[in-house]
Amino acid sequence: QQPVQSPQAVILREGEDAVINCSSSKALYSVHWYRQKHGEAPVFLMILLKGGEQKGHEKISASFNEKKQQSSLYLTASQLSYSGTYFCGTATPDSNYQLIWGAGTKLIIKP
Amino acid sequence: DGGITQSPKYLFRKEGQNVTLSCEQNLNHDAMYWYRQDPGQGLRLIYYSQIVNDFQKGDIAEGYSVSREKKESFPLTVTSAQKNPTAFYLCASSPGGTSGSFAGELFFGEGSRLTVL
Repeated sequence: QQPVQSPQAVILREGEDAVINCSSSKALYSVHWYRQKHGEAPVFLMILLKGGEQKGHEKISASFNEKKQQSSLYLTASQLSYSGTYFCGTATPDSNYQLIWGAGTKLIIKP
Repeated sequence: DGGITQSPKYLFRKEGQNVTLSCEQNLNHDAMYWYRQDPGQGLRLIYYSQIVNDFQKGDIAEGYSVSREKKESFPLTVTSAQKNPTAFYLCASSPGGTSGSFAGELFFGEGSRLTVL
C-alpha cells in the first residue's frame, strides 16, 4: 500500500525550514528519500533503516519512527536549489522489500 | 564516467506497436529496476532483476516484458497489450538491492518519455 506524504505542496522563502512527512499503514523496514526536479531523474537523499542506521549525504536530516510507521525529512535554511518534488519510498516485508513510493511533496522555494 | 544510460529519450508509438526501451549501466550493479511515472504521481515498479537471467514482476507488470541476459543491460518492451502506455519510464540500478544491510541508493537514468499517438 502506497505511503502517504504530507503536505502535498509547500511554498517557502529562501532560508526557511520545511518538514515533509511519510506515513505507512505497514510496518516499515526502511524508508528512502529522493528529490526530483521537473523532467529529470530522482536524486538520492537519504536511507533510514529499521534499527536506526542512516545513510545519506547533503545537509538534510531525517527521522524514522518505527512505532508510528512514519518518517520525516527536515530541510533547514532552505536554498533555491532545494526546489523540486520529494518522494519517499518504503520497503516492507509485504512488498518483498521493494520500494513503494509516495505521491510526492512539491517544494517551491522563492527568493 | 559511470552511470546509467537510457534510450531513446523520447519515443512516439502508434497503437498496436511494441516498443523497446534500452537501459545500460556500467556501475557493475547487480540489481536493476524499471519504474513508470505518471504526471503528479510517484514511481510504480514494473519489473526488477537482482541477478543475470532472473527477474521478478513488480506491481504493474501487465503489458510489459523484460530480459536480463547481461549484467549491464535490462531492456523493457512495452507491448500492445499495455492499455495506457503513455508515461515517463525510469530505469535504475543499485549495488545490492533496496533492503537489508546492503540497502543502497538507486541510481537513475535520465528517463524515456513514451507517447502513444
